Amino acid sequence: ETGVTQSPTHLIKTRGQQVTLRCSSQSGHNTVSWYQQALGQGPQFIFQYYREEENGRGNFPPRFSGLQFPNYSSELNVNALELDDSALYLCASSLDRGAGTEAFFGQGTRLTVV
Amino acid sequence: SQQGEEDPQALSIQEGENATMNCSYKTSINNLQWYRQNSGRGLVHLILIRSNEREKHSGRLRVTLDTSKKSSSLLITASRAADTASYFCATRRNNAGNMLTFGGGTRLMVKP
Repeated sequence: ETGVTQSPTHLIKTRGQQVTLRCSSQSGHNTVSWYQQALGQGPQFIFQYYREEENGRGNFPPRFSGLQFPNYSSELNVNALELDDSALYLCASSLDRGAGTEAFFGQGTRLTVV
Repeated sequence: SQQGEEDPQALSIQEGENATMNCSYKTSINNLQWYRQNSGRGLVHLILIRSNEREKHSGRLRVTLDTSKKSSSLLITASRAADTASYFCATRRNNAGNMLTFGGGTRLMVKP
């Protein structure tokens, strides 16, 4: 158990809909990162939040957006869902945003877009 | 795009044998980490090796890093059926915060 919890665990949405995924970071961690993992591939970095502000973004379109709250929990929002958005979405929290800090991953949310 | 590539993509061995997985990456790094993933669930951190380190051990795990060749290897000794999982290497580049760039993974099956 890493102390990072994600909800929901599974979700089915229709193409064109919007979805919100949630992540509760480990106690004391101020940095949250989101990753998308397509079936059979490694995770790809979506973006990171540090103290409620976006602190880095991967190669994902603007319809992927996020928030971090004062308690450092986070949301990932995806608008206008496409079939290719079907994936496991992983959240990772860390004590700080420095390169040497360890990231602790949640169990993920499996999103299926039909 | 993914920074690293794992080799092999899949590996099947008998319990008790050693398993070696390799990872190559493209840019200079601050550190390299290995993760384990069971059945498409969350990632479990195994070991971190810094760019100025050459070898690190943790229990039955041994990781090497060769920055001149931009490659790393993970050795699992005396494998067990419970080691069956996917293994990923991930790099952290300098000046990129703690963003991790993952390879495609090695799917390890350990037969009892």
